[in-house]
Amino acid sequence: AQSVTQLGSHVSVSEGALVLLRCNYSSSVPPYLFWYVQYPNQGLQLLLKYTTGATLVKGINGFEAEFKKSETSFHLTKPSAHMSDAAEYFCAVSQYGNKLVFGAGTILRVKS
Amino acid sequence: DTAVSQTPKYLVTQMGNDKSIKCEQNLGHDTMYWYKQDSKKFLKIMFSYNNKELIINETVPNRFSPKSPDKAHLNLHINSLELGDSAVYFCASSQEPRVAGQETQYFGPGTRLLVL
Repeated sequence: AQSVTQLGSHVSVSEGALVLLRCNYSSSVPPYLFWYVQYPNQGLQLLLKYTTGATLVKGINGFEAEFKKSETSFHLTKPSAHMSDAAEYFCAVSQYGNKLVFGAGTILRVKS
Repeated sequence: DTAVSQTPKYLVTQMGNDKSIKCEQNLGHDTMYWYKQDSKKFLKIMFSYNNKELIINETVPNRFSPKSPDKAHLNLHINSLELGDSAVYFCASSQEPRVAGQETQYFGPGTRLLVL
């Protein structure tokens, strides 16, 4: 069975600093990987996804993620944090039937 | 226009009651899902339907019954509510996955259920 581990339930960065949210997956087949963002009291919004092709994936709001098969990782980065980036971020892997298996989430706090 | 909508947004009810949550999508998608997010924010799939046919049914108690009157709607009915059912329930939809797992799921705003 596929699974996702997000390292760090809380990450705190200063405004303007690099954002790095870590995600590792386990999968016996080539994975399809997703990052979703959840703002307080809202639903989930897709940031980006990796299916095939280029391993560096660019998403919305300046985020990007790199699929590294050798490290079974799909870390999310943003060069410069903005206050509006404060939210909870979920990494997910897709299984048969398009079932998403989510990590436990990482709350990003941005300090002014 | 809201792509995936859920009603109600909040639901407070007593233990033992029966309640329904409605979900509608106007994206023209073939596949719809229900997810549960518990108090620790852990998200887990419950069901998925493709063209009104049940595809995924995780180990969910029989008290939960999804119903899909047409491919734009997937409702969730819960019988005999228990305290542990308190959670946020998210509906989602996607195109039918031609290649398993590739399709993006679009989520509704969630229904916050509190069982007293």
